[in-house]
Order: sequence, then C-alpha cells, then structure tokens
Amino acid sequence: NAGVTQTPKFQVLKTGQSMTLQCAQDMNHNSMYWYRQDPGMGLRLIYYSASEGTTDKGEVPNGYNVSRLNKREFSLRLESAAPSQTSVYFCASSEGGSAQPQHFGDGTRLSIL
Amino acid sequence: RKEVEQDPGPFNVPEGATVAFNCTYSNSASQSFFWYRQDCRKEPKLLMSVYSSGNEDGRFTAQLNRASQYISLLIRDSKLSDSATYLCAVNWGSSASKIIFGSGTRLSIRP
Repeated sequence: NAGVTQTPKFQVLKTGQSMTLQCAQDMNHNSMYWYRQDPGMGLRLIYYSASEGTTDKGEVPNGYNVSRLNKREFSLRLESAAPSQTSVYFCASSEGGSAQPQHFGDGTRLSIL
Repeated sequence: RKEVEQDPGPFNVPEGATVAFNCTYSNSASQSFFWYRQDCRKEPKLLMSVYSSGNEDGRFTAQLNRASQYISLLIRDSKLSDSATYLCAVNWGSSASKIIFGSGTRLSIRP
C-alpha cells in the first residue's frame, strides 16, 4: 500500500547543479502537489497539477519547474540549485475537486551547499 | 497579510487540559478547510476536514466561522500523544485544487 512515493529521500547538491525530484502515487488521484517546508514553518506551495495535463504556479514557484508526466507521476526540477532552496520537499496527491484531503509522501531532504 | 495565518505557539499545556487553536484565512471565496497533524520530521497527516456545520471526531472538534473567516480546532482531554504541530489548510478562493497551508501551531502536552 505505497500511497505517495518520493525519490530520493536525501540529496546534497552543490550550488548551480540541477536535479529532478520524483513523485508517484498509486491511488488514481487527479491532483498532485509540490510543497517545500523550511525549519519552523508550514508548507509553501511550489506548483500543483489539478489534473493530468495541467500545471499551475503556487506561492513560491521561482527557481522550479514541474512536469506532470502522466496521471501517476509529478516531478519537480531545480535547474540551477541555490542555497535558498535547501529545504524539505513534500509531494502530495488528492482526488481533486472540493473538500478532498491530500495524502503526502515521506519528503525529500535537500541540502544545497 | 498572509493568506492563511496561525498562532505559531508553542502551546504548552498539562495532560487532560482542553486547548484550542484558530486559523484565519484571507480569501472569502475559500470553500475547503482541513486540519493536519505533523510530527517532527514526518509528513503531514490529515486530522480532520472542517465542515460548514462543524464536526467532531472523538476528542477533536473543528468549527468554521465564515463571517470572521477562521477555522478552529478544539482538543479535549489532551494526551501526551497529542504533542505535534497542527497545520490548517485552505483552498485558495475559487480554485478547488490550490491548497494553501498555515505555518502551523506547535502543541506540547506535559505530564
């Protein structure tokens, strides 16, 4: 019963390197999300995909790109990593539509030196 | 003003106490409201959705006040295991899928 799976779980990058965070869900959910969480703070929405084939900016999209590869997978790419992007990244999915709660992956802990 | 605001706490209360948190939201068109619980270094997990008429799940009661644009969470007879960060989440206006979180309220229950 996997739910939402994120890879990798940990990663250290150097400034300027690129990286793609992977997320997959097996619940046949329509909507998928990427959030970042910094110490002592809540989750900030980076990008979301309301349904397969659509993506929209969240609160903090600068420096990131996303791809909704298919209904199951939603990836987050850092083209040129910066220390300010050091964070814990959570992927989530939901059925979509009104009043549908989200299910979260375990998170990816990303450090940029 | 942030879209979704919470008192960061920490709230430090004795076991058995009743504690309440509020969460205010700025977009009057928001329709979906949730409370999540997050343990240290773990992913958020749904505690309960918040319905218009208010709802209860055991020791937890959630309320929605549309006029003043806030939701609340009441925890009765608190347990040591209730120690966590509580996050509220709200859909942003007319976008059902765009879910914004508050910064969380830390709760610590002492014996």
